[in-house]
Amino acid sequence: IAGITQAPTSQILAAGRRMTLRCTQDMRHNAMYWYRQDLGLGLRLIHYSNTAGTTGKGEVPDGYSVSRANTDDFPLTLASAVPSQTSVYFCASSDSTSGSGTDTQYFGPGTRLTVL
Amino acid sequence: GQNIDQPTEMTATEGAIVQINCTYQTSGFNGLFWYQQHAGEAPTFLSYNVLDGLEEKGRFSSFLSRSKGYSYLLLKELQMKDSASYLCAVRDSNYQLIWGAGTKLIIKP
Repeated sequence: IAGITQAPTSQILAAGRRMTLRCTQDMRHNAMYWYRQDLGLGLRLIHYSNTAGTTGKGEVPDGYSVSRANTDDFPLTLASAVPSQTSVYFCASSDSTSGSGTDTQYFGPGTRLTVL
Repeated sequence: GQNIDQPTEMTATEGAIVQINCTYQTSGFNGLFWYQQHAGEAPTFLSYNVLDGLEEKGRFSSFLSRSKGYSYLLLKELQMKDSASYLCAVRDSNYQLIWGAGTKLIIKP
């Protein structure tokens, strides 16, 4: 059981280029999340999806888009990358969003993105 | 606004006990989480508190006081492998996690 996988592990990207970060989970969790982590700041939510076919905006959605065509995959796209999007990106998933239980979020290994 | 405060860095000695504090001000409260994150790795779940009191799990314990907006993570019998960042997160009224910046714990022999 892999849990959550992310690809690529790291990437250097020229400003203005389009980039898609991939995230796949095999736990059949209904909720998935994309965070960015920057030095000295807490994890910040970019976009989330409570179930396949639905998505929502988090705290810092500008410049990013997501889709959730099925339960397992939740790609994050940077339409035109800018240097301020240099960060470590984590995908996470949880079993439920109902609050009826812990609903713990489990994280993928992350993608380290550098935009020059 | 919403805010989670934790000390930036703490140092402790192998075999000792350390307490990492977390204070929060959020719009609503639906549970508090502690995660461990080793350098270059993903956060991993440690503990969850939704009611006041102490939750013990092996060498790690977590305490919550909702009236004070306060939690702490207690690590006993510290080992070198406990050197990591410890992240406090609160689930708000929208069931989203609000994260602190993390506390970097340095363990010295």
